Amino acid sequence: GQNIDQPTEMTATEGAIVQINCTYQTSGFNGLFWYQQHAGEAPTFLSYNVLDGLEEKGRFSSFLSRSKGYSYLLLKELQMKDSASYLCAPNQAGTALIFGKGTTLSVSS
Amino acid sequence: EPEVTQTPSHQVTQMGQEVILRCVPISNHLYFYWYRQILGQKVEFLVSFYNNEISEKSEIFDDQFSVERPDGSNFTLKIRSTKLEDSAMYFCASSGGGWNQPQHFGDGTRLSIL
Repeated sequence: GQNIDQPTEMTATEGAIVQINCTYQTSGFNGLFWYQQHAGEAPTFLSYNVLDGLEEKGRFSSFLSRSKGYSYLLLKELQMKDSASYLCAPNQAGTALIFGKGTTLSVSS
Repeated sequence: EPEVTQTPSHQVTQMGQEVILRCVPISNHLYFYWYRQILGQKVEFLVSFYNNEISEKSEIFDDQFSVERPDGSNFTLKIRSTKLEDSAMYFCASSGGGWNQPQHFGDGTRLSIL
């Protein structure tokens, strides 16, 4: 089985930095994806980690610790358009992405 | 940038009717997926498809569901006898190069069962 845990909601202000944590337990593991989903829209791919460590991609970075079953998404220089849900999705050595309920981030001015 | 396209964007159907949701994956992708998202809930995996056969399916994907790749470009999800609880947003996704590659999602079809 699988269990994915993220905070339900977070708030931050424009220009700030926010870290969204994700812990997971899966029966197999083949990497972890982060997706962004604006309300009423499709998930869009942000990042992928398969090895331990930090992957940086512009304003967004993602970190993985396989031994701890832990990942985080770091968003820098927050903008209003970053208000969305952020979905942690481990790939458990199969084909499916198993999504958690996601973290809804609200960015205010 | 290539994208996954889905039609229709919104489908309204009477309970018990059959419905076919259509998807055109990114052209050089070989791995295809369907997910659904009931309003206010998380995205749920339905089925994955590769080399003209189902690779994996979830418990949700029961006998009322089927998938098909009728030609070189389309990928369809059929729901045979729709139920009220099938009302959801259905997302098609595709990836290239392997199961561990990013999956790119279409804009979805909102299915409303009356």
